[in-house]
Amino acid sequence: KAGVTQTPRYLIKTRGQQVTLSCSPISGHRSVSWYQQTPGQGLQFLFEYFSETQRNKGNFPGRFSGRQFSNSRSEMNVSTLELGDSALYLCASSLALGRDYGYTFGSGTRLTVV
Amino acid sequence: GQQLNQSPQSMFIQEGEDVSMNCTSSSIFNTWLWYKQDPGEGPVLLIALYKAGELTSNGRLTAQFGITRKDSFLNISASIPSDVGIYFCAGPGTASKLTFGTGTRLQVTL
Repeated sequence: KAGVTQTPRYLIKTRGQQVTLSCSPISGHRSVSWYQQTPGQGLQFLFEYFSETQRNKGNFPGRFSGRQFSNSRSEMNVSTLELGDSALYLCASSLALGRDYGYTFGSGTRLTVV
Repeated sequence: GQQLNQSPQSMFIQEGEDVSMNCTSSSIFNTWLWYKQDPGEGPVLLIALYKAGELTSNGRLTAQFGITRKDSFLNISASIPSDVGIYFCAGPGTASKLTFGTGTRLQVTL
């Protein structure tokens, strides 16, 4: 079965711009989580969506937002980009919330802010 | 907040050697997960541990859930070149879904 698909794979943006990243979960998976990975901070949780509702949120500024559609696909948006937003953004999907930690990650979107 | 510290940070080993790494937490975890990340890819779940003292194997990999519930260990036996990558421990955080460790970078020489 197809895995978690993230698009685009690579992106270069200018400071001040905004960006939208897309994630298509594994078919049947209803939970989608987003993580930011940087060399300095490691993997940090951004937010999680289930049934089109944000269920958990990490400690990121309001410039980071997301949404989930009825087909479970998710998008995250970063507005007013800063140089420090350069990172690998990873999306992970799972069947449901709760103790099912069978997260499957996508290959990520590498965002570079210049 | 919760922190997961992994050691060693990086290691060079020869093909065929056994590898040991660990992960310690400042607080108790009820679940421990071990992931591997290859360059340019997302993390892949290797082993999940749900009970203190549990020992679980996945091929050449063996992981243990520490009895204090504040640590976990991962062993790789007879390492091969494709074992190269970054190994992360992770557990359910408080405000977050998963808290990841700092990672152990493994490099294997022939």
